[in-house]
Amino acid sequence: DADVTQTPRNRITKTGKRIMLECSQTKGHDRMYWYRQDPGLGLQLIYYSFDVKDINKGEISDGYSVSRQAQAKFSLSLESAIPNQTALYFCATARAGTDTQYFGPGTRLTVL
Amino acid sequence: AQSVTQLDSQVPVFEEAPVELRCNYSSSVSVYLFWYVQYPNQGLQLLLKYLSGSTLVKGINGFEAEFNKSQTSFHLRKPSVHISDTAEYFCAVSNNNDMRFGAGTRLTVKP
Repeated sequence: DADVTQTPRNRITKTGKRIMLECSQTKGHDRMYWYRQDPGLGLQLIYYSFDVKDINKGEISDGYSVSRQAQAKFSLSLESAIPNQTALYFCATARAGTDTQYFGPGTRLTVL
Repeated sequence: AQSVTQLDSQVPVFEEAPVELRCNYSSSVSVYLFWYVQYPNQGLQLLLKYLSGSTLVKGINGFEAEFNKSQTSFHLRKPSVHISDTAEYFCAVSNNNDMRFGAGTRLTVKP
């Protein structure tokens, strides 16, 4: 079984809809991250969490929110999706005290 | 904050040829350096990392990278590539869990 899983893997939605992307991990890591990937831009950090009670904004948090329901679960929400949020979204985890991040398989989101 | 520049957006090479993917970084503090690989329709997989010690780092699939502090570079090399190495490669720099990625280099290996 994969250590970091993301659901759904693909989603097509319409402008204005609320969308939730979920991430679960079995690695036992404290730290979790959400990134988006756009062609030619690499990965940009949206939000990160160092433990269940800790949530921090990343480089591009506007239009997004997150929830850390448990150590193993970190959800990303788009309250009102817009077309320029069409991208590939990745969840990642890291053990506290280390900088090495481990990535999920990604969710491809299309906003029409 | 630190930043990363990957100097080539695309690198086409023939099978069994050597390849070098270039990465330069900028930071005012000590950082850790990483290379990740992304195969089509998959997530990022850690290829190798430099945390400290020997500046020549060996990774999976025959790749290696050399940390050069004076040139602020962390170039990725492989002496002989395979078709299966076709993928996107990302260089990343991290300090205190703040990881920044380059824009990526698409390596295409031709038969």
